[in-house]
Amino acid sequence: DSGVTQTPKHLITATGQRVTLRCSPRSGDLSVYWYQQSLDQGLQFLIQYYNGEERAKGNILERFSAQQFPDLHSELNLSSLELGDSALYFCASSVDVGTQYFGPGTRLTVL
Amino acid sequence: ILNVEQSPQSLHVQEGDSTNFTCSFPSSNFYALHWYRWETAKSPEALFVMTLNGDEKKKGRISATLNTKEGYSYLYIKGSQPEDSATYLCAPWDSWGKFQFGAGTQVVVTP
Repeated sequence: DSGVTQTPKHLITATGQRVTLRCSPRSGDLSVYWYQQSLDQGLQFLIQYYNGEERAKGNILERFSAQQFPDLHSELNLSSLELGDSALYFCASSVDVGTQYFGPGTRLTVL
Repeated sequence: ILNVEQSPQSLHVQEGDSTNFTCSFPSSNFYALHWYRWETAKSPEALFVMTLNGDEKKKGRISATLNTKEGYSYLYIKGSQPEDSATYLCAPWDSWGKFQFGAGTQVVVTP
């Protein structure tokens, strides 16, 4: 158990819908990262927040957005969902620049 | 985005054999290199953090070396066991706070 929690574990929705994925970092970690793993693909970095501020952006679509709240939990919002958005979404946290601890992931299925 | 290459993309190893694979990264502005192990249906887990040229780290039968001047790291598995089957990811960080996960080396250990 890494100490990073993600909810929900599974999510099934329809095309065009909007969903929110939630992540709670390890106690004391200020950085939160979001990743997408599509079928047979590697780990694609989406976005990083540090203490509430966006720090780095990866290959995140404009339909996706994220934020980190004062209590340091983070949410990833995915809108206008397409079939291709079906993937495993990981959240990770770290103290700052350092080892990332990954949550169990949220599996999103778009039908 | 940092240019990170891991080779080979995959390899098959007989149980009991030793193996090694490479992570190449930009040598300029190097800050740290992280290795992760990612087992199927699980989340990536941290293996090593390496920062100094010539660093060697060891965890059980797995060890890693670092050459920051030429920009590469080797990961070695001695006497491979089926439980070593996983994708091994490297993630270098530069001094500007940028990082990049490699695509990984998938290791399959057959009994």
